[in-house]
Amino acid sequence: GENVEQHPSTLSVQEGDSAVIKCTYSDSASNYFPWYKQELGKGPQLIIDIRSNVGEKKDQRIAVTLNKTAKHFSLHITETQPEDSAVYFCAASNAGGTSYGKLTFGQGTILTVHP
Amino acid sequence: DGGITQSPKYLFRKEGQNVTLSCEQNLNHDAMYWYRQDPGQGLRLIYYSQIVNDFQKGDIAEGYSVSREKKESFPLTVTSAQKNPTAFYLCASQYETGPYEQYFGPGTRLTVT
Repeated sequence: GENVEQHPSTLSVQEGDSAVIKCTYSDSASNYFPWYKQELGKGPQLIIDIRSNVGEKKDQRIAVTLNKTAKHFSLHITETQPEDSAVYFCAASNAGGTSYGKLTFGQGTILTVHP
Repeated sequence: DGGITQSPKYLFRKEGQNVTLSCEQNLNHDAMYWYRQDPGQGLRLIYYSQIVNDFQKGDIAEGYSVSREKKESFPLTVTSAQKNPTAFYLCASQYETGPYEQYFGPGTRLTVT
């Protein structure tokens, strides 16, 4: 089955700096890669996703890049703000395949943005 | 949290008791999922259902049971056979044929003593 590794497990930055979180996946059939933000005591919230037919996607201060050859994808947050502090999860799935919709998650990254 | 509700937010049970967690969605999504989250770990899939009256085991189904009698509802029962039931439980849903976004409920924190 799919295996997703996420690094780093914790990330501390100063307000205004950039933050990068990286994930690698094992199943070359995976074609959908979402990123979730989870605040304390709440459910994860989808913040951005990318499909395997594109290499990069951007939404304001957030961007995701995908390297299918190397089987890794990354989340980039620019101009970080204290409200960006949360746990971030990456995930992968073979959307449309036999295990449709089943997401395999990384272990999570605790991001702390210091004012 | 969109149109997915989970109740209750906090649940306390004594060891040896079965307990049922509620998950309801009004998004007209076909597929529904249950995940377990433990501190310092990612989300692990317990059960999922792509259609009414059908469901599949996930990676950690032992000690859990589900039903899917209605499209909107996917309750999870944590049985006394689950050795370490204390955890944060998350329900999610999505369309079966796309778009592929999976949306989560607010979660239920279960504590068993």
